[in-house]
Amino acid sequence: DTAVSQTPKYLVTQMGNDKSIKCEQNLGHDTMYWYKQDSKKFLKIMFSYNNKELIINETVPNRFSPKSPDKAHLNLHINSLELGDSAVYFCASSHFLYDSYEQYFGPGTRLTVT
Amino acid sequence: DQQVKQNSPSLSVQEGRISILNCDYTNSMFDYFLWYKKYPAEGPTFLISISSIKDKNEDGRFTVFLNKSAKHLSLHIVPSQPGDSAVYFCAASARNTDKLIFGTGTRLQVFP
Repeated sequence: DTAVSQTPKYLVTQMGNDKSIKCEQNLGHDTMYWYKQDSKKFLKIMFSYNNKELIINETVPNRFSPKSPDKAHLNLHINSLELGDSAVYFCASSHFLYDSYEQYFGPGTRLTVT
Repeated sequence: DQQVKQNSPSLSVQEGRISILNCDYTNSMFDYFLWYKKYPAEGPTFLISISSIKDKNEDGRFTVFLNKSAKHLSLHIVPSQPGDSAVYFCAASARNTDKLIFGTGTRLQVFP
């Protein structure tokens, strides 16, 4: 029973393509996040959603658009992929906004842009 | 600007001995600190945390120490076991934000 799941696990695509990564959590959490871990291993937050509402939007190119159809899902759509988008993307969730700092992470999606 | 720093990229410890992983931070607004453990091809998993009102928190073999004046925290693992071999990330958060700021991680290897 995976708590936070992501699909796909690996994604190889060419520059200029549009791709999506899906995330689902079955923990009943209210808040979900997307993180990016780059080649230098920095794990940086990109977005957070609370009950389908965007809360955090870090300085991320607008080619990246999160979509939350319900509070158990937070998908990440990326337009016009660039070489620099190659990274591991992690989805995470937590119980209450501002109430719990403990975030539960998915296994990650390794995106390679060629 | 790296607000959370883990200056040791790797650490090697013999099984049964103590592992000490260090973390420094620069933002005095941080009031909650966490350690995450990450195995290859998996997401980080929460290990232990500490609030800024405490200086120590213990959970089994894991103890986190916080020195606010030095803006430094450390994770002690005693005794270390081969299964502890992983990358350990320090993270910090400021009050009323749900944003975790992560360090770059320390790879711990516990050898028999």
